[in-house]
Parts: sequence; C-alpha cells; structure tokens
Amino acid sequence: SQQGEEDPQALSIQEGENATMNCSYKTSINNLQWYRQNSGRGLVHLILIRSNEREKHSGRLRVTLDTSKKSSSLLITASRAADTASYFCATDGGATNKLIFGTGTLLAVQP
Amino acid sequence: DADVTQTPRNRITKTGKRIMLECSQTKGHDRMYWYRQDPGLGLRLIYYSFDVKDINKGEISDGYSVSRQAQAKFSLSLESAIPNQTALYFCATSDRAGGSLNEQFFGPGTRLTVL
Repeated sequence: SQQGEEDPQALSIQEGENATMNCSYKTSINNLQWYRQNSGRGLVHLILIRSNEREKHSGRLRVTLDTSKKSSSLLITASRAADTASYFCATDGGATNKLIFGTGTLLAVQP
Repeated sequence: DADVTQTPRNRITKTGKRIMLECSQTKGHDRMYWYRQDPGLGLRLIYYSFDVKDINKGEISDGYSVSRQAQAKFSLSLESAIPNQTALYFCATSDRAGGSLNEQFFGPGTRLTVL
C-alpha cells in the first residue's frame, strides 16, 4: 500500500483562493517532499521538509509537517489557473534509498 | 536541452514483444530510478540504481529488467510485454545524499501501450 495518502483526491477552486492539500503517511520519516505534475508530464519537485522542521515556505507555497500525527499539508495561496495540476507527497519511510509516492490530489483552478 | 531525457516518448506494441525504454541524464547524478504511473495509483518504483554496479528491485519489478550502461544511462526492458504493463513510465535521477534523500528530477515520461 502507498506510504503517502493525499486528501482530497480532487479539489476545484476559483482563481485567487487558497488551496490546501493533506498527506498522511504510515512510518517514521527523515523527510517529506511535495511534487507537482502537469497533465501527462514528469513530476517537478516543489519543496522538501525535514522531520525536525514544522513549517517551510517557498513563494506561494507553505508546507507544514506534524510527525506526531504523521501528516503534512501543502497550502498554495492566491492560486492561479496555471497551478492546475496533480500534487503528490513522497516520503522516504525512514530509509535512505527510495521515495514512496502517494496517489495525489488533482487541483483544478478555475479562471 | 532537458536534463533527463527519455526515449521513446510514445510506443504502441503487441503482447509478447520485447521493449526497451531508455533514459539519459546530464545532471551528473549517481542515482537513477524507473517508475510507472497508473491512473489512481500514483507512482510505483520498478527499479533503482545508485551507481553502475548497483541495481535494486523496487516495489513492482516482476516482468521488468534494467541495465545501467553508464552513470548517465539507465534502460528499462520489458522482455515479453503484456497488456497490464500499459502505463506511463518515468525515469528520475537524484544526487548522492548525506543520510537522507534529496529531490528527484524526472524525465518527460514514456507512454507505453501494449495491445
């Protein structure tokens, strides 16, 4: 089964609104990463948060990590139509050799 | 030029045929990965390699084999393709990390259809 599970599976919002996606995982981690995928294309790394960090920002992105709840959230503020994509979390499961990806959240931003 | 390239980008083949998907990278990374993506299932790891002499099975290696011909090249083979191997295949790379995994850089993907 997937280490990371995103919630919701799909999200539709209006341009300018904020979008929040959540990721839950099962085992301890060293870090958690978020990726973005435009339809049919390769994934692009957005942000990495380490297990000893609680919050991280990058431009309009804000990621939080709660290791006690084994969960993370990705907030995209002031969304744009160009943010329309699938977003995946990925964890290392406490190992150092491979990432395990969740099933993703499909975000649609309506202009 | 793209840092991680995959060939072919699209391929339609028949059951039982041997197929090779190729991946090349110019990032100088040691680590390379092959994933497949199916609708609703996210990405699943097929094989990964940390250097030319290091090949490891991932979550779903049955029916696949790989070859790491050089640091920059990592090929995925389907010896006898079957319809349930129809999927989007991605190659990815990452650099050596000191105790944790760094970000991965993905190729554009190969859409494979097995009839």
